[in-house]
Amino acid sequence: AQTVTQSQPEMSVQEAETVTLSCTYDTSESDYYLFWYKQPPSRQMILVIRQEAYKQQNATENRFSVNFQKAAKSFSLKISDSQLGDAAMYFCAYRSFMYSGGGADGLTFGKGTHLIIQP
Amino acid sequence: DTGVSQNPRHKITKRGQNVTFRCDPISEHNRLYWYRQTLGQGPEFLTYFQNEAQLEKSRLLSDRFSAERPKGSFSTLEIQRTEQGDSAMYLCAASTSGSGTGELFFGEGSRLTVL
Repeated sequence: AQTVTQSQPEMSVQEAETVTLSCTYDTSESDYYLFWYKQPPSRQMILVIRQEAYKQQNATENRFSVNFQKAAKSFSLKISDSQLGDAAMYFCAYRSFMYSGGGADGLTFGKGTHLIIQP
Repeated sequence: DTGVSQNPRHKITKRGQNVTFRCDPISEHNRLYWYRQTLGQGPEFLTYFQNEAQLEKSRLLSDRFSAERPKGSFSTLEIQRTEQGDSAMYLCAASTSGSGTGELFFGEGSRLTVL
C-alpha cells in the first residue's frame, strides 16, 4: 500500500514571501500521479498542481511549482509571492496510474499542512 | 465550482439514529468516491463506484455503512445506528475515466456531528 507523509503540521509565511511545503511518499509502482490539493476553511478541496511520475520536468502553475524527486520519493510544493488567499490546509496526494484494487484508484492523502499567511 | 454538490452540508444527530448523505456529480463523472475526514487528518478512502457498480470498499466501511449509486448518477451514503466515532466530514469526489489527468473533483462535504 502507498503512504504519503507530510512532516509539517503547520507553516507560517509573511505575505509576498516564498514558502515550501514538504511531502514524501512510499510506493513500489513506477507510474503514478502526485497532487497538491488546497482546502480552505469550510470550502471545497481544489487542485493546486499535478505531476505525472513519468515526466521529468517539474510542474508549474503560476505562483505554484513543485520539486519532484522520483528517486527520493519527494514532492514538495513551493508557493511564491504568498497571498492572504493562500491560507488553507494543503494536502499532498498520490494516485496509482493503473487501477489495481484496494482503493488504489482513489487518492491516498497525507495528513496535511496548515499554511498561515502573516499580513 | 467543481461540479460536485453534497447535501446536507451539516447534520447533527443523536447517537443511534440513521443519517443519509447525498452526492450529485456532473453527468460526465462516471467514477465516484466517498472519503471520510476527521479533524487534523487527511481524507481516508471509504468506497468507490464506477457507474452504478460499487467496485471497492475500505475496511473502514463497517456494516453500519452502506453506499449506493442506483443509476450511475447521484450517490447516497447511509450510516445506521450512528456512534460518536462517526463524527467527521464525509467528502464525495468524482472523476471521468480515461480523462488522463487523474484529478478528482471534490464536493464541499457533509459534516456529521453525533451527540
